Amino acid sequence: AQSVTQPDIHITVSEGASLELRCNYSYGATPYLFWYVQSPGQGLQLLLKYFSGDTLVQGIKGFEAEFKRSQSSFNLRKPSVHWSDAAEYFCAVGAPGFGNEKLTFGTGTRLTIIP
Amino acid sequence: SQTIHQWPATLVQPVGSPLSLECTVEGTSNPNLYWYRQAAGRGLQLLFYSVGIGQISSEVPQNLSASRPQDRQFILSSKKLLLSDSGFYLCACTPGTESEAFFGQGTRLTVV
Repeated sequence: AQSVTQPDIHITVSEGASLELRCNYSYGATPYLFWYVQSPGQGLQLLLKYFSGDTLVQGIKGFEAEFKRSQSSFNLRKPSVHWSDAAEYFCAVGAPGFGNEKLTFGTGTRLTIIP
Repeated sequence: SQTIHQWPATLVQPVGSPLSLECTVEGTSNPNLYWYRQAAGRGLQLLFYSVGIGQISSEVPQNLSASRPQDRQFILSSKKLLLSDSGFYLCACTPGTESEAFFGQGTRLTVV
């Protein structure tokens, strides 16, 4: 079965600074990979996804992520964060090709932005 | 595009009372459907998923159950709630095999 690790529970960055949120996965083949964002009391919104092809994926709100097979990683990046980026971020992995698509989520990284 | 409706948004229930949370999906047919629970300060825990009407897979043994009486309706139930059932419940769907999951706005359940 697949698994996802987000090693950083909480990250604080200054507004305007760059951001990288880490995500490592475990899966026997090339997985589907996703990053979601959740504002307090809300559902999850998809930021970006990787299924195949170009390993650098562009998403909404200026986010990007890079799939690195050798490191089993799919880290999320943003060159300059805004106060509105404060939220919780979840990495997820899907297991294609087994008749149903079950997503496994990491435990999330809470992002705090300081002025 | 698909839309997921979840209700109620907030629910406070006494211990031992029953539970029924409903989720309906618009804009797609034959989706995979999921119930997740998010406890305070923790990630998302997959509770149930369904690949079709009447087909339910349980990921975590507990006093909750799920049903899918119609293609785009997914119900989470309990006969007797426990304090530990408190949390934020999210319904999600994946419309196809190469698709991300779409989420409802969630139900905040507090068992008192």
